[in-house]
Amino acid sequence: NAGVTQTPKFQVLKTGQSMTLQCAQDMNHEYMSWYRQDPGMGLRLIHYSVGAGITDQGEVPNGYNVSRSTTEDFPLRLLSAAPSQTSVYFCASSSGTPEQETQYFGPGTRLLVL
Amino acid sequence: DAKTTQPPSMDCAEGRAANLPCNHSTISGNEYVYWYRQIHSQGPQYIIHGLKNNETNEMASLIITEDRKSSTLILPHATLRDTAVYYCIVRDYLGSSNTGKLIFGQGTTLQVKP
Repeated sequence: NAGVTQTPKFQVLKTGQSMTLQCAQDMNHEYMSWYRQDPGMGLRLIHYSVGAGITDQGEVPNGYNVSRSTTEDFPLRLLSAAPSQTSVYFCASSSGTPEQETQYFGPGTRLLVL
Repeated sequence: DAKTTQPPSMDCAEGRAANLPCNHSTISGNEYVYWYRQIHSQGPQYIIHGLKNNETNEMASLIITEDRKSSTLILPHATLRDTAVYYCIVRDYLGSSNTGKLIFGQGTTLQVKP
């Protein structure tokens, strides 16, 4: 299993541009999440999904859209990039009963918005 | 989800036990205590979790006080590779909409020294 994969690894955008960060998992996990991590800070939840067709907002959803058309994929869209969205973005997936659930994280996408 | 309080940083000598404390005084009966760590620039990695009883796995031990208001993560023989930020997270599982959400605090930066 590849686990959780994210593309691209690095991206530079200009203010106002849009892009999609890709996330895929091959573990048949129902639950997937997107986090961002600013320098020297902890992770903050952007959006999450409890299954295909179901998404919800996390702590910092503004400026981002998500959709979950398949179990495997959970893309994150930046609608109009702003310098404040410069961050490292992590995708995660999880499965199992809530009591046993652990989350598996991808390697991250480093985004710079100029 | 209950909030947690962790010291911002700790040092530990290589080969010695590292004891990382976490306060979660407002934890409810349904909430589990999870520990994750993040080694520089990588995605977070699951370590261990528990509800009431002490837990041990190949990575660490988790000691939860009887009143569940605090816990301690123990790395029995710390190595240089254990240098990382350690996050203590409490999370309830009531309802499927909560599953998959992790709220990260600032964590404890553990520096293992030779």
